Amino acid sequence: EAGVAQSPRYKIIEKRQSVAFWCNPISGHATLYWYQQILGQGPKLLIQFQNNGVVDDSQLPKDRFSAERLKGVDSTLKIQPAKLEDSAVYLCASSSDSWAYNEQFFGPGTRLTVL
Amino acid sequence: AQTVTQSQPEMSVQEAETVTLSCTYDTSENNYYLFWYKQPPSRQMILVIRQEAYKQQNATENRFSVNFQKAAKSFSLKISDSQLGDTAMYFCAFMKGAQKLVFGQGTRLTINP
Repeated sequence: EAGVAQSPRYKIIEKRQSVAFWCNPISGHATLYWYQQILGQGPKLLIQFQNNGVVDDSQLPKDRFSAERLKGVDSTLKIQPAKLEDSAVYLCASSSDSWAYNEQFFGPGTRLTVL
Repeated sequence: AQTVTQSQPEMSVQEAETVTLSCTYDTSENNYYLFWYKQPPSRQMILVIRQEAYKQQNATENRFSVNFQKAAKSFSLKISDSQLGDTAMYFCAFMKGAQKLVFGQGTRLTINP
């Protein structure tokens, strides 16, 4: 079984530029999560999807961050415009069911550096 | 809101020794899950062990075991016979139902040869 795929693995941009990250969850997983992990901290949830609907986006900075999961499969997270404090690892995770506990499987993450 | 605290930023032990990582959490919930995740330099977050709050018995997975004290809201991880491959960041995490994971700040564990 293929794991959670993310691309790119690394991205370096200048502040005020735009950037997009892509995630493809494990096949058949209905729930997809985006976490932000700032250096030296634990991951923090940005947004949670159940199929193509948003379950929780309470910690997503909506003035600059957006995410979509149009067909209920893969997802894109965008930052526009980027700030220095957005430098972090962006982790995508998926699980098979949002209505009961199921293990979250994580991708390798995308490391973003904003200069 | 739930919070998770790991008070040990870094730990270092010799190979084959036993090491215990500490975690405390704060919640008003009665039913929840607690986890320990391992994050090696490759950044891939890997589940080490899981504990359901309604279970009194402490979870074990081979060399990994937990000490779950629900009343004290404490959840420590013990690694026995530590190996070089155990070197990683370890995160304690909390989850209610099927919601988001709430992570602690992490403990950097180094196993020395």
